[in-house]
Amino acid sequence: DTAVSQTPKYLVTQMGNDKSIKCEQNLGHDTMYWYKQDSKKFLKIMFSYNNKELIINETVPNRFSPKSPDKAHLNLHINSLELGDSAVYFCASSQQTGSYEQYFGPGTRLTVT
Amino acid sequence: AQSVAQPEDQVNVAEGNPLTVKCTYSVSGNPYLFWYVQYPNRGLQFLLKYITGDNLVKGSYGFEAEFNKSQTSFHLKKPSALVSDSALYFCAVRVLRGATNKLIFGTGTLLAVQP
Repeated sequence: DTAVSQTPKYLVTQMGNDKSIKCEQNLGHDTMYWYKQDSKKFLKIMFSYNNKELIINETVPNRFSPKSPDKAHLNLHINSLELGDSAVYFCASSQQTGSYEQYFGPGTRLTVT
Repeated sequence: AQSVAQPEDQVNVAEGNPLTVKCTYSVSGNPYLFWYVQYPNRGLQFLLKYITGDNLVKGSYGFEAEFNKSQTSFHLKKPSALVSDSALYFCAVRVLRGATNKLIFGTGTLLAVQP
């Protein structure tokens, strides 16, 4: 069984469109994250949710809106897509307490044309 | 500022030789340190971590890392490299901010193992 899954794997869209990426984890973790990996492979945290509550929001444009319907799901909605949004987006999950290692999804490659 | 540095963009090693991927950190308090590996077109996979205890930590796929507090380093090592070890390796440090914690990643080191 896949521990952290994301859909879609690839997303190609035009500037100005709105799109969503979905993430689900079946590890029973209470914390989920969204990361952005740019073309130079630099990995930066965007958001973190703990038990459906937003706990980290790292200076991300408000065009990006995460939503957590329950603690197993964390979706990312992006409005008015821009060329600079092209990247690979990774979802991850962990326990808030304890050993803290994060488990990552396979990534969603977003290409904005 | 709390950070982690990987000074080498790329490390080249011949198959069968020992490998080292370097990582240094800057963090207040006791560091929680992690290594992750990313294969092409895949997500990051957890390799190993240091929280407390023995300075030499063993992880997946025969990798180990040595925590050195005086040098603020956490280098990743393997006694004998395999071609299949070729991948992008990330060092990370946990940062506490109030009641929350997050990982700060280094810029990654590409390991290329030649047959």
